[in-house]
Amino acid sequence: GQSLEQPSEVTAVEGAIVQINCTYQTSGFYGLSWYQQHDGGAPTFLSYNGLDGLEETGRFSSFLSRSDSYGYLLLQELQMKDSASYFCAGPTPYSGAGSYQLTFGKGTKLSVIP
Amino acid sequence: SQTIHQWPATLVQPVGSPLSLECTVEGTSNPNLYWYRQAAGRGLQLLFYSVGIGQISSEVPQNLSASRPQDRQFILSSKKLLLSDSGFYLCAWDKVPSYEQYFGPGTRLTVT
Repeated sequence: GQSLEQPSEVTAVEGAIVQINCTYQTSGFYGLSWYQQHDGGAPTFLSYNGLDGLEETGRFSSFLSRSDSYGYLLLQELQMKDSASYFCAGPTPYSGAGSYQLTFGKGTKLSVIP
Repeated sequence: SQTIHQWPATLVQPVGSPLSLECTVEGTSNPNLYWYRQAAGRGLQLLFYSVGIGQISSEVPQNLSASRPQDRQFILSSKKLLLSDSGFYLCAWDKVPSYEQYFGPGTRLTVT
């Protein structure tokens, strides 16, 4: 089956850089997506890597290596508001629809401390 | 702009009671619609998805069902709730083609 592995928890200091890794066990993923979810809230889309390499969006960057079945989310200049859970997700196409089914990792809870 | 609504926000139901959760999307037409469940401290599990009115695909066999009576309305139902049905239920939508899904605010269901 399809599965994505992430660390369950990460703690980092405000202003620092943190990297959240994601490894996956499938050959069917069309890249890797990242979502952020604050406690009690809904997930929100952060980034998508369809090709190998680094994608940068402000303080957040995401990397994918399809040959290594590995990706990461990099958060720079950490702020207290970045404390949240971060999920990697692998999109796989489902037939006849032209859209993608997402398989989510279990999430990494990031705690930013002063 | 597009918005997605879910209600109710929270729900406490006894075991064996029925369930109906509703999701509506505004500002777009013919979206793909999804129901996910999230157990405490866990990832999101896809329950159902729909690419059009009356078209429902189930990912996990269970005592839940879904219906899409209108283009932008998605309903999750159960005839008899189980304790294991407790969780955070999220509705999401996207458009073709997209790797990005937009989630509603969710319904927190506690079955007692």
